[in-house]
Amino acid sequence: QKEVEQNSGPLSVPEGAIASLNCTYSDRGSQSFFWYRQYSGKSPELIMFIYSNGDKEDGRFTAQLNKASQYVSLLIRDSQPSDSATYLCAAGTGGGNKLTFGTGTQLKVEL
Amino acid sequence: GAVVSQHPSRVICKSGTSVKIECRSLDFQATTMFWYRQFPKQSLMLMATSNEGSKATYEQGVEKDKFLINHASLTLSTLTVTSAHPEDSSFYICSALRDVNQPQHFGDGTRLSIL
Repeated sequence: QKEVEQNSGPLSVPEGAIASLNCTYSDRGSQSFFWYRQYSGKSPELIMFIYSNGDKEDGRFTAQLNKASQYVSLLIRDSQPSDSATYLCAAGTGGGNKLTFGTGTQLKVEL
Repeated sequence: GAVVSQHPSRVICKSGTSVKIECRSLDFQATTMFWYRQFPKQSLMLMATSNEGSKATYEQGVEKDKFLINHASLTLSTLTVTSAHPEDSSFYICSALRDVNQPQHFGDGTRLSIL
């Protein structure tokens, strides 16, 4: 069974710190990886996606992928209280057509 | 950016009612649309994959006669929960895929409450 594992948290970081969110996946056939942010009661919104090994940076966010270790991470620099949400990791197969989601990590950025 | 509209945002109805949820891609033609369900404190679970002009592909354990999907055009997919019961109460979310190897874009979700 294809699985995506995340620590449910909550992960608490002080404002301005770096938040590090981690995810592992079991299906070696996964080709694409996504991080979504979900506020309580809302639908997910895309933060970043990554297809190749290494780092991908976009503003305060950096996604890291290590296919050999089947590991994906998301770093959030200069964390803000508005970053407090649940972050969902998803692994995609078939050109991203089919996503398997993790259960999410709750992030709390404290003043 | 890609915009996906989902309607209605919330439904409260009696047991036995059938509920129809619409998902529209507003500024692009979606090659594929997806329907997910999310129970409280749980992750999104894919229910079915919907392609325009063809039958939806349902995930294991999802009853196709219970959850009817119609994908009439490249911008519209509908999910009908037939004869809904309290256990069908959940957050239903659609997403649309503009092209392969592109991220899915999600609608705002529909919170369904069956009394």
